[in-house]
Amino acid sequence: EIVLTQSPGTLSLSPGERATLSCRTRQRISSRYLAWYQQKPGQAPRLLIYGASTRASGIPERFSGSGSGTDFTLTISRLEAEDFAVYYCQQFGNSGEGFTFGPGTKVDIK
Amino acid sequence: QVQLQESGPGLVKPSETLSLTCTVSGGSFSNFYWSWFRQPPGKGLEWVGYVYYSGSTNYNPSLKSRVTMSVDTSKNQFSLKLNSVTAADTAIYYCASSSVRIGNEYWGPGTLVTVSS
Repeated sequence: EIVLTQSPGTLSLSPGERATLSCRTRQRISSRYLAWYQQKPGQAPRLLIYGASTRASGIPERFSGSGSGTDFTLTISRLEAEDFAVYYCQQFGNSGEGFTFGPGTKVDIK
Repeated sequence: QVQLQESGPGLVKPSETLSLTCTVSGGSFSNFYWSWFRQPPGKGLEWVGYVYYSGSTNYNPSLKSRVTMSVDTSKNQFSLKLNSVTAADTAIYYCASSSVRIGNEYWGPGTLVTVSS
């Protein structure tokens, strides 16, 4: 079973600052199947990044993803007001395990 | 643009069966797998399972014994049934498109299902 851990649990930053969010697994996974989502209160999750580093359609360039193996990172280069939300990493297990999410990182306003 | 909309009862009694339907519009039904996710209030996201347009399924092992998913391609709909529900099944249930390469690009707005007598 793939377990995803995210850190930090909460990130308190100001608009304009850089946010760096981490997603780790205990065993190596294919970066092809690693995605990041943003969720705001009362809304469904929104796909930001797939394949570890490809921005989904309509996602601003300030969002970027990187990493491989067991360590993955979501970076928001300069936080805007609408970026304060919870961010989840997700892995797809192509051996029938389906989708697994990390516990999330909340980015809130300092 | 693919759009999804969940529908079904918002209140289910303990030990009964939760039934939800997701209606898909604006895209090809055969292009994706179709997933259900859930999120207990204030908690994280959990994948429930997915169904392909052919009817093949894959369920979360933790829920497998209680879950059934099906498709109705004539109506561009897919459905979730979860039996023997308890209060622990109270959650916002989301339907979403799924692809191996891109993940879950399109989501419904979600529907809150409360399990209570």
